Amino acid sequence: GESVGLHLPTLSVQEGDNSIINCAYSNSASDYFIWYKQESGKGPQFIIDIRSNMDKRQGQRVTVLLNKTVKHLSLQIAATQPGDSAVYFCAELSRGSNYKLTFGKGTLLTVNP
Amino acid sequence: GAGVSQSPRYKVAKRGQDVALRCDPISGHVSLFWYQQALGQGPEFLTYFQNEAQLDKSGLPSDRFFAERPEGSVSTLKIQRTQQEDSAVYLCASRGDSRNSPLHFGNGTRLTVT
Repeated sequence: GESVGLHLPTLSVQEGDNSIINCAYSNSASDYFIWYKQESGKGPQFIIDIRSNMDKRQGQRVTVLLNKTVKHLSLQIAATQPGDSAVYFCAELSRGSNYKLTFGKGTLLTVNP
Repeated sequence: GAGVSQSPRYKVAKRGQDVALRCDPISGHVSLFWYQQALGQGPEFLTYFQNEAQLDKSGLPSDRFFAERPEGSVSTLKIQRTQQEDSAVYLCASRGDSRNSPLHFGNGTRLTVT
């Protein structure tokens, strides 16, 4: 399955499948990107980040891909588990700022057992 | 280790009341942020502190909102004469010295104005 971020804010996958969550950003000056996971009733939890001098970064079961040409960011989750069900936000930091992180609207990931 | 702690977790206020929301950041974190999150939306920036200095308050919706961090650690977000449109989750986050490091968020205070 695949989500187009802002346009399709819900993604439903089967347990064990891979998930891809997408995020489009508009600020070409953004040079640092973060993916957050937010479970109901909790604050955003850091998953993985990437700087603009990289195209790909891997973590545990997660991979972030950055395509600066089309200003697109994606989060891939391998072997999705029920505990991965949450809202996922991408956030960006502009080169001109040291602190103002801007969040996208989020994608709701539902994992079916 | 201890994360960002916020209190209260839930606050119900009658319209016109003043409220104070507390944030206890990760020890040693220089930078502290307040964000507002409406239902179904991403967090929106409110204000930023570096130590005790409030360097940016451009996101505060009105002059009814006031934030302080007098000793460079604990911060308080105060909302005077609350209105229904102030109902939201208020998130606090802290970060170390590096620009390219993630914000660590607390679990927020859910404010409901009736």
